[in-house]
This record gives sequence, structure tokens and C-alpha cells, in this order.
Amino acid sequence: DADVTQTPRNRITKTGKRIMLECSQTKGHDRMYWYRQDPGLGLRLIYYSFDVKDINKGEISDGYSVSRQAQAKFSLSLESAIPNQTALYFCATASQGNTEAFFGQGTRLTVV
Amino acid sequence: GQQLNQSPQSMFIQEGEDVSMNCTSSSIFNTWLWYKQDPGEGPVLLIALYKAGELTSNGRLTAQFGITRKDSFLNISASIPSDVGIYFCAGRLGGSNYKLTFGKGTLLTVNP
Repeated sequence: DADVTQTPRNRITKTGKRIMLECSQTKGHDRMYWYRQDPGLGLRLIYYSFDVKDINKGEISDGYSVSRQAQAKFSLSLESAIPNQTALYFCATASQGNTEAFFGQGTRLTVV
Repeated sequence: GQQLNQSPQSMFIQEGEDVSMNCTSSSIFNTWLWYKQDPGEGPVLLIALYKAGELTSNGRLTAQFGITRKDSFLNISASIPSDVGIYFCAGRLGGSNYKLTFGKGTLLTVNP
């Protein structure tokens, strides 16, 4: 089983719909991150959390929200999806004081 | 935000050839990481560098932390078809900031 699990793996949704992407981890890491990947743009940080209830904005947080109710879970929500949020989304984790991040397998989101 | 310039953007090589790619920044980084992303998967950590001038190998891969702390290099020797994928550099600034900044990636294609 993967240490960092993302659900769903693929999702197609309509403009204006609310959607939640889930991430869970069995690594026992304190730190969790949500990234977005677009072709030719690399990985950009949306939100990150260093502990339960701790939430910090990344470089592209507009249009997104997150929730960290438990150490092992970090969810990303799009309150009202728009087509330019079509992308590959990755969750990552890292242990406290450690830079090395471990990634999930990604969620491919398409907003039509 | 911080910018990492990764080059080349893409490479098309013959099996057996050596490969070099690099990342540069206008800022000084305390940590450099190199990741590989296979199609349909999340990035996987290849090499982590923590000290200026450090040279670290992982099989056929060798990475170096530049002396100026503003750049890093990744070399792959004797490439094989399974080396195909996107390679990302990532850097971390000093202090308590544990966020990673990613380059835009190098797409490597290996022709058998």
C-alpha cells in the first residue's frame, strides 16, 4: 500500500461545482502539502500544514481551501470549480525538521 | 516567489548516452533535491543535497550542490529506456521555512 494515498485518482466535474480531494498518509509525518502541476510549469504550492489545525497559504491559494482535522489527513477543496483549475494535483508529506517531501500518486482533475 | 531556472526543458537522447541537467537560482538555497516523475505517477526523490560543494551518487545518478549555493546539477550516466520521465529540481531557503520551490522540469526521452 502507498504511504501517501490520494482519492480520487481521476475526476471530471462541471464548472461551479464543489469538489474535495482527499489525502491520507501512513508515514506519521507532521507536515503535509498540496501542489498543483500544469504542463511546463512544474509544481506550485497551494497550501501547506505543519500540524493539525495549522493552515498556511502557498503561492497559488486563491480559489482553494484546505482542512487538516487529523495528522494523517489533509483535504483540498475547490468551492466553485472553474476550467483553469484543470490540472494534476499532488499531496506530499514531510517529517518535522526534514525537507525531503514524499508525494502521492496524484489526482487528475478536469473541470468542464 | 522564488524562481528556479531548470534547463534544458527537454532532451531526446540515444540509449547509452550521458545526460546533464541543471538548476539555477538568484537566491541562496540550503537544500537541493532532485526528483523523477514517471508518467501517471507522483515525483519520487532521487538525491538530496545539504551542503555546498556536496557531490552525491545514487547508482548511475550523480548530483552536486553548487559552491555558490545558487545552483545544482544532475548527471545520468549510460542512460537506459527506463530513465524516461520528468526530472525536477527543488530547493529550500534557509531558516524555519520548510517550503520547497520546484523547477519547471526536464523531460527526458531515451531512444532505445
